[in-house]
Amino acid sequence: ETVMTQSPATLSVSPGERATLSCRASQTVSNNLAWYQQKPGQAPRLLIYGASTRATGIPGRFSGSGSGTEFTLTISSLQSEDFAVYYCQQYNNWPQTFGQGTKVEIK
Amino acid sequence: EVQLVESGGGLVQPGGSLRLSCAASGFTFSSHWMHWVRQGPGKGLVWVSRINSDGSTTNYADSVEGRFTVSRDNAKNTLYLQMNSLRVEDTAVYYCARVLGRSSNSPFENWGQGTLVTVSS
Repeated sequence: ETVMTQSPATLSVSPGERATLSCRASQTVSNNLAWYQQKPGQAPRLLIYGASTRATGIPGRFSGSGSGTEFTLTISSLQSEDFAVYYCQQYNNWPQTFGQGTKVEIK
Repeated sequence: EVQLVESGGGLVQPGGSLRLSCAASGFTFSSHWMHWVRQGPGKGLVWVSRINSDGSTTNYADSVEGRFTVSRDNAKNTLYLQMNSLRVEDTAVYYCARVLGRSSNSPFENWGQGTLVTVSS
């Protein structure tokens, strides 16, 4: 199975600053990579799919990039509501697999 | 508005069984692959199972193969997960999820609120 590795495990950022999250795949996933946001007690929410396409209703401060095995999620200016855990997921190879998550916390 | 509402979770002893349900509304249920994903306490997301639009194709994670069965009733717009021979390590919040579009290889556009399954003696 394709192992997804996210870094860092925890990212401490001040509101208004830029956050950069990384996700690496153990084998190529083409651009079939999604990012999800999860807040405590809530279900995950799809942010990005196709490595760089924002899902419906997702603000422009969220952007994704990468292809193959290296991917990045960037939050250009962190808002209070963005502090959460972020997961990447590959859906190119069966079974679909998730990374272990990056927690974005307030610095 | 797409809605997915899970039910059926609870406390069960090791070796026991539970059936989860996911009631869907706001979209053409019979046109979409559906998935189950679980999240252990304080853990990450783990894919569990999927089923195609007419129920003829199902797949499972190795950890649940032979113990869990996914099914659907398109007339009732409901997805199911029958869980047998439950283990302590199956303790988790179980989410149902609808894929984006109609391909089997798609991200999960909509999620239910989850239902908690606790396996403990």
